[in-house]
Amino acid sequence: DIQMTQSPSSLSASVGDRVTITCRASQGIRNDLGWYQQKPGKAPKRLIYAASSLQSGVPSRFSGSGSGTEFTLTISSLQPEDFATYYCLQHNSYPPQYTFGQGTKLEIK
Amino acid sequence: QVQLVESGGGVVQPGGSLRLSCAASGFTFSSYGMHWVRQAPGKGLEWVAFIRYDGSNKYYADSVKGRFTISRDNSKNTLYLQMNSLRAEDTAVYYCAKDTHYYGPFDYWGQGTLVTVSS
Repeated sequence: DIQMTQSPSSLSASVGDRVTITCRASQGIRNDLGWYQQKPGKAPKRLIYAASSLQSGVPSRFSGSGSGTEFTLTISSLQPEDFATYYCLQHNSYPPQYTFGQGTKLEIK
Repeated sequence: QVQLVESGGGVVQPGGSLRLSCAASGFTFSSYGMHWVRQAPGKGLEWVAFIRYDGSNKYYADSVKGRFTISRDNSKNTLYLQMNSLRAEDTAVYYCAKDTHYYGPFDYWGQGTLVTVSS
């Protein structure tokens, strides 16, 4: 099974900061990775697919990069509405098995 | 617009059964694979099951294999999750989520339904 290691598990930052979250896969997954944002009591929302493609309607301050085993989500200038929990997801396995990272809780400093 | 609405959650005793439904609208349901994803209270996300657009293939997480069954009725635009032999560790919010053809899974999610397994 492919394991996803996400770091950090929590992060304190201020409005306007640049923030980076990392996911590492236990084996190569090409670019079969997505990033999701979840606010308390709400369903997750997809931000990035195929490692670096921005989901329609998502602000351009969000960006993704990486391929193989190392991936990053960057928020270029934090806005108040960005404080949430973020998850990576790999979908490279066959037969289909989907693995989320442990999550990163982004809090206001 | 795409809408996914789950129902059927509730409180059930250990060893009991429950069936969840997910009503889909705003897209051609019969053309897309569908998933169930769950989240235990205060915990992260866990993929549960996937069914292909025509129901021809189904896949499960090891944690639910042999106990849960995913199915769909394309004539009713509805996805199901039959959950048997429920355990306390199955307590979670269950979300249905849509797949895409080429651009990865979970582009749209429902609001979730809470399943509590407790005596």
